Amino acid sequence: KNEVEQSPQNLTAQEGEFITINCSYSVGISALHWLQQHPGGGIVSLFMLSSGKKKHGRLIATINIQEKHSSLHITASHPRDSAVYICAVVNSGNTPLVFGKGTRLSVIA
Amino acid sequence: DVKVTQSSRYLVKRTGEKVFLECVQDMDHENMFWYRQDPGLGLRLIYFSYDVKMKEKGDIPEGYSVSREKKERFSLILESASTNQTSMYLCASSSGQYNEQFFGPGTRLTVL
Repeated sequence: KNEVEQSPQNLTAQEGEFITINCSYSVGISALHWLQQHPGGGIVSLFMLSSGKKKHGRLIATINIQEKHSSLHITASHPRDSAVYICAVVNSGNTPLVFGKGTRLSVIA
Repeated sequence: DVKVTQSSRYLVKRTGEKVFLECVQDMDHENMFWYRQDPGLGLRLIYFSYDVKMKEKGDIPEGYSVSREKKERFSLILESASTNQTSMYLCASSSGQYNEQFFGPGTRLTVL
């Protein structure tokens, strides 16, 4: 079974800082997801990646398939970015996601 | 707007009670999932279903059962609730090869 590790577990940043959250997995995958969970519980999908890089607003996600590693970057961070960010991988085909434990981000004004 | 709804946001039950958590999706998704989320442990898969009347055990199925009689509805059942089942329960649905999941708002269950 794939193991998904995220780092750091907790991150505190000042408003405006550039933030990086890392995700590593142990075996080959067909896709990787980044998810965001705000206080209160709701989880939303930010990105789905199978290669390369995707950008949406101030969020950028990259994946290196050979290194088995993905990063989520937030540029010009803002207090509203405070949330738990979760990495999840798809091993193959239509199999259940395997989740990392999440990174709790707090952005202070 | 796609939607996954769960029957309750907060629920308080007593030890030994039978508990039903309902999840409904309006996206005609084939796949539905039940997770529980606990501090420090992340999301853990309880059961999932890839089709009506079909179910598969996830990582932590003990003490739970599920029912999927209609495509849009997936129910999680705690046959005899225990205090260690106090948790946040999240339902999700998905479709397609890469399994992008859409989550419900969650039910915070407290068992006293």
